[in-house]
Order: sequence, then structure tokens, then C-alpha cells
Amino acid sequence: AQSVTQLDSHVSVSEGTPVLLRCNYSSSYSPSLFWYVQHPNKGLQLLLKYTSAATLVKGINGFEAEFKKSETSFHLTKPSAHMSDAAEYFCVVSDYGGSQGNLIFGKGTKLSVKP
Amino acid sequence: GAGVSQSPSNKVTEKGKDVELRCDPISGHTALYWYRQSLGQGLEFLIYFQGNSAPDKSGLPSDRFSAERTGGSVSTLTIQRTQQEDSAVYLCASSLERVIGGNSPLHFGNGTRLTVT
Repeated sequence: AQSVTQLDSHVSVSEGTPVLLRCNYSSSYSPSLFWYVQHPNKGLQLLLKYTSAATLVKGINGFEAEFKKSETSFHLTKPSAHMSDAAEYFCVVSDYGGSQGNLIFGKGTKLSVKP
Repeated sequence: GAGVSQSPSNKVTEKGKDVELRCDPISGHTALYWYRQSLGQGLEFLIYFQGNSAPDKSGLPSDRFSAERTGGSVSTLTIQRTQQEDSAVYLCASSLERVIGGNSPLHFGNGTRLTVT
């Protein structure tokens, strides 16, 4: 069965410094992987997705993620944090087994950005 | 075009009352999902619809929870005899088709914040 683990529940960075949000997954198949962002009092918005094409995926707002099969990781990065990046981020794996309607969500990482 | 719409945005109810939460998906989206997000928790899957049928109800936490979808469009999530532990944000999402291979990402509504007093 597929699963996803977000290694940090909370990450705090200073504005202008790099962001790293970690995600590890387990999957019996070639997975599809996603990162979603949730700003306060809003629904989730797709940041980027990996679907077995290029292993380095670029998303919106300057974020990118690299699929590393050998490490079963899909970490989210951004070179320089902006105050508007403060939000909660969810790593998601597509479950081909049919449970949970195909998507397994991580527990989320809350990103704080200090001025 | 319009996104996923949920109503009400906020609902305060007394313990023991029934509540109905509504979701209007994006037109043409056949797949519809309900999730629950409690304070400090991730997303908890509740139920998934493909068209009007619900092939996966595995996430409904008790028989007080039910959901239906009519006309392949609007869905309602009903919670009977609400309890304080039902307090959470209920999120609805839709996609063009069942999410396989990442070609049909989810589009989320802003959620309904339910508070049971």
C-alpha cells in the first residue's frame, strides 16, 4: 500500500533564505506525486505534480520538487522564501489500489516566514 | 470559470442537531471527494464519488455520516446527531476523472468550518 510521510510538521525560515520541505513516500507502483498548498481559511491549491516525466518538476510561485526514486523522496524547495509563502504544504501520492479515492495525503508541514 | 463552491462557509450548531453541507463541483468534473481537516491534523478522507455512485465510502467515521450526489453534480454531506468531535473544516474537491497518473488534479473548495457547541 502507498503511504506518504512529511518529516517536519513545522518549518520556519527567514525571508530571502531557501525553503526545504521534506517528503518521503512508499509505493508498490510508479507513483504520481503532488504538492498542494493551503493558505489560511482557503482550500488547497496544486503547486506541482510528478507523473513519470522529468524528475525535476517546476511549479507555481518559484517552487520545484525533485523525484528521487532511490531515496523514495519528493522534497519541495524554493531558493528564496517570500512572506506570502507562509502556508501549510501537503505532499500527496496517488494510490492505484483504489483506497481513499486514489490520493494519500501527508499530515502537512506548516511553513512560517520571518521578516 | 467558477471553481468548487461550498456552503455554508461557517456553521455553528448545537450538539445533537443534524447538519447538511453542500458542495458544487466544477462543471463537467465527474469525480468528487470529501475530506475532513481537524485542527493540527492533516486531511482525513471521507468519501469519493464517481458520477452519482460512491465506490469508496471507507473514510466515513460513523453511521451518523452520509453523503449523496445527484445528477452527477451537487453533493451534500449530512452529519446526524452532531457531536463536539465533529467540529472541523470539511473540504470538498472535484476532478475531471478519477485521479490516476496525475492527469486530473484536484480542485478544492474553501471548505465549511463546522463548530459543534
